[in-house]
Amino acid sequence: QSLLTQPPSASGTPGQRVTISCSGGSSNIGINPVNWYQQLPGTAPTLLIYTNDRRPSGVPDRFSGSKSGTSASLAISGLQSEDEADYYCAAWDDSLNGVFFGGGTKLTVL
Amino acid sequence: EVRLVESGGGVVQPGGSLRLSCAVSGFSFDNFAMHWVRQAPGKGLEWVSGISWSSGRVGYGDAVKGRFTISRDNAQNSLFLQMNSLRAEDTALYYCAKDISGTYVGSHLDSWGQGTLVTVSS
Repeated sequence: QSLLTQPPSASGTPGQRVTISCSGGSSNIGINPVNWYQQLPGTAPTLLIYTNDRRPSGVPDRFSGSKSGTSASLAISGLQSEDEADYYCAAWDDSLNGVFFGGGTKLTVL
Repeated sequence: EVRLVESGGGVVQPGGSLRLSCAVSGFSFDNFAMHWVRQAPGKGLEWVSGISWSSGRVGYGDAVKGRFTISRDNAQNSLFLQMNSLRAEDTALYYCAKDISGTYVGSHLDSWGQGTLVTVSS
């Protein structure tokens, strides 16, 4: 069981808005920034959102992140077929002194 | 262009050892912390280890502590992972990843390699 909890799956139709949650605790999300990674099928992960809500250059503004307390969320608006991928949240944990990833959410575009 | 290229994976028997390498280019390697992250077949991402820019500080995930050793050679722009006492559960694709800062204390990994596959099997 992961320290950071994500739903195993999410889905939406093209054009819809979907959100993926990431629940943690006081020693990780509660006090450290959250980063999100996208892993397209058969490829390495790439950074999608950093420091809770910032987008690296090249990431469409359809992707947004937020954090409140010990939880974070990734929102994807205007869903496209190419968004079908696995999404992972990640945060440092001050008590366990390590990087922890959520279990991942498989997004299906119907 | 930032490039990270892992090598050294392969098939090894339980209890055996392997040394992974990650050759980097396109950035000032000695300014940034580096990480190893693995992904078992069909599973999620798991942090393995991190090392600060100067090698002065290192950290390991609980699953590999005492068995794996991370190191780096800034002169050769290379990152390493020495894996000893390998177990079946260490079977995974191992990625090296660049941190945005000089310390590995964080989860902001802005560049990843394509991974090298380690299979532990008799």
